[in-house]
Amino acid sequence: EPEVTQTPSHQVTQMGQEVILRCVPISNHLYFYWYRQILGQKVEFLVSFYNNEISEKSEIFDDQFSVERPDGSNFTLKIRSTKLEDSAMYFCASKLGSIYGYTFGSGTRLTVV
Amino acid sequence: ILNVEQSPQSLHVQEGDSTNFTCSFPSSNFYALHWYRWETAKSPEALFVMTLNGDEKKKGRISATLNTKEGYSYLYIKGSQPEDSATYLCASNTGKLIFGQGTTLQVKP
Repeated sequence: EPEVTQTPSHQVTQMGQEVILRCVPISNHLYFYWYRQILGQKVEFLVSFYNNEISEKSEIFDDQFSVERPDGSNFTLKIRSTKLEDSAMYFCASKLGSIYGYTFGSGTRLTVV
Repeated sequence: ILNVEQSPQSLHVQEGDSTNFTCSFPSSNFYALHWYRWETAKSPEALFVMTLNGDEKKKGRISATLNTKEGYSYLYIKGSQPEDSATYLCASNTGKLIFGQGTTLQVKP
């Protein structure tokens, strides 16, 4: 069964450093998402991406965040200058169309120290 | 602000017990309700996508019902097995997923 793959599974970074979280969505999917879960809190929406542009973003997704789909395969989330409060599990998800279910990756655990 | 709530937060049952959890969501502007099963270190696994009021879906020993007018969904597990141990997430789909906090189920052999 097709999978969404995320790398790395765990990343530790120093506060203020830039990180790039990588995702390979399912190849024929058209909609792409990033979600995150801070430990002990709900999974929360960050951003959705369709037709090579951001379609919606949450209040969390401020100027330090950006997304890219550079080569039609990878879908990346960049955090420019990490803060301690960015420590969370980051999930990538994709879906084929607007009425379909989402397929999630297994997540990248980001720890900012 | 859209708020999705799940109860209970955690549940411990014996193997063979049947159990159920609740997901409540705002009934206005409803589009779809998703259920996921999430084991530690794995991807959340899609169980059901429900759209119609009164809808009932089944996958093996797991089933779910939906009431869009009153804004709730129930997930049932019949004859729980240790491998059912996981966190069960519901999410309201409004173009993006708004998640509840999850119900963590532990099934003891």
